[in-house]
Amino acid sequence: NAGVTQTPKFQVLKTGQSMTLQCAQDMNHEYMSWYRQDPGMGLRLIHYSVGAGITDQGEVPNGYNVSRSTTEDFPLRLLSAAPSQTSVYFCASSYTGTDEQFFGPGTRLTVL
Amino acid sequence: KQEVTQIPAALSVPEGENLVLNCSFTDSAIYNLQWFRQDPGKGLTSLLLIQSSQREQTSGRLNASLDKSSGRSTLYIAASQPGDSATYLCAPRRVTNAGKSTFGDGTTLTVKP
Repeated sequence: NAGVTQTPKFQVLKTGQSMTLQCAQDMNHEYMSWYRQDPGMGLRLIHYSVGAGITDQGEVPNGYNVSRSTTEDFPLRLLSAAPSQTSVYFCASSYTGTDEQFFGPGTRLTVL
Repeated sequence: KQEVTQIPAALSVPEGENLVLNCSFTDSAIYNLQWFRQDPGKGLTSLLLIQSSQREQTSGRLNASLDKSSGRSTLYIAASQPGDSATYLCAPRRVTNAGKSTFGDGTTLTVKP
């Protein structure tokens, strides 16, 4: 049982580039979410999904896209990277929206 | 909007001391509250999940309490050890918000040998 996995661990982008952060879980969890963590601002919800084919926006969705074609995977796409998106990104999952959440190890992204 | 406050922001104690971390939240309509620890450069590790119907939850040297009506939770750490040094975060999960969690900024704990 690998839990929640994220790739890559580190990434450096130039302004305007696009990329996809990968998140996968092997616990058959319906609920998955993406957070960003910035110093002094805590963890903020970007997007979340309550099941395959269903996604919704969180607190800070602008500049990010998500899709959920399978229960296991929940990729986060940066459409045109900006320096303001420099952050640490965490993916989390839980069986439902009311159960214990499990977090991945994070992706540290720097946008130059 | 749910606001979560954790006090103190930082705490330094000698090894062996018992300590209490505080978490307060403004919207008491929650399903549960989860406590996490985060080591520097790492992800969040779940410590305890306390349901809204519970008043306490225990795991080893950790004990979490929840007073939903007053919007407060505490995390009690007994006989602290240097390995407990980390940032501790609380996250209440709201009933009315599709299960979204709101996180506090955390309490950074340092336990000195």
